[in-house]
Amino acid sequence: QSALTQPASVSGSPGQSITISCTGTSSDVGGYNYVSWYQQHPGKAPKLMIYEVSNRPSGVSNRFSGSKSGNTASLTISGLQAEDEADYYCSSYTSSSSLYVFGTGTKVTVL
Amino acid sequence: QVTLRESGPALVKPTQTLTLTCTFSGFSLSTSGMCVSWIRQPPGKALEWLALIDWDDDKYYSTSLKTRLTISKDTSKNQVVLTMTNMDPVDTATYYCARIRQSGEFDYWGQGTLVTVSS
Repeated sequence: QSALTQPASVSGSPGQSITISCTGTSSDVGGYNYVSWYQQHPGKAPKLMIYEVSNRPSGVSNRFSGSKSGNTASLTISGLQAEDEADYYCSSYTSSSSLYVFGTGTKVTVL
Repeated sequence: QVTLRESGPALVKPTQTLTLTCTFSGFSLSTSGMCVSWIRQPPGKALEWLALIDWDDDKYYSTSLKTRLTISKDTSKNQVVLTMTNMDPVDTATYYCARIRQSGEFDYWGQGTLVTVSS
């Protein structure tokens, strides 16, 4: 099972919006709405930011939103803030013999 | 309040077997729909899903590591154990356990434990 493909890095200025893509196949991202997104600060455990493509857990800022089109899911961060600087990973359920797959990860830099 | 904590050796030698324990609280692994998974992250690299065990004792493994992994649970102790055989330096990573809900997301994570494989 290959990892989902994400851009290595995305950057933006404070207040701007950025979008991170997560590309898979019809066996994972395209086939199920079990796509989730995680934020990871250095030395910390990942934190759930989005689940089931576009749902936000309680306590997560509404500046974070998710969507999906075909085999590509996206995470948008609006009103970029310094605290958003972190690594972001997508994940999807997959019909392959490996039940779950993560993305390659994207480093978000706030300029 | 849901918490998970990983424990195990910080250093193992090549060819040895690694045993990690995930001790959790705030939920029961006997509740329908509950699952616990192991994920690892080599230094500076991406997350990699390893294994999952569900409330019904069904077990699932990463295809690439299937022959080396065993996951089990002790519901009475609120623990999930992962063993990985024939450890190699490339297995050096932070190992996390996480709870998974039926909607497929890893909603709570442990703080992770760094395992270094070196002679």
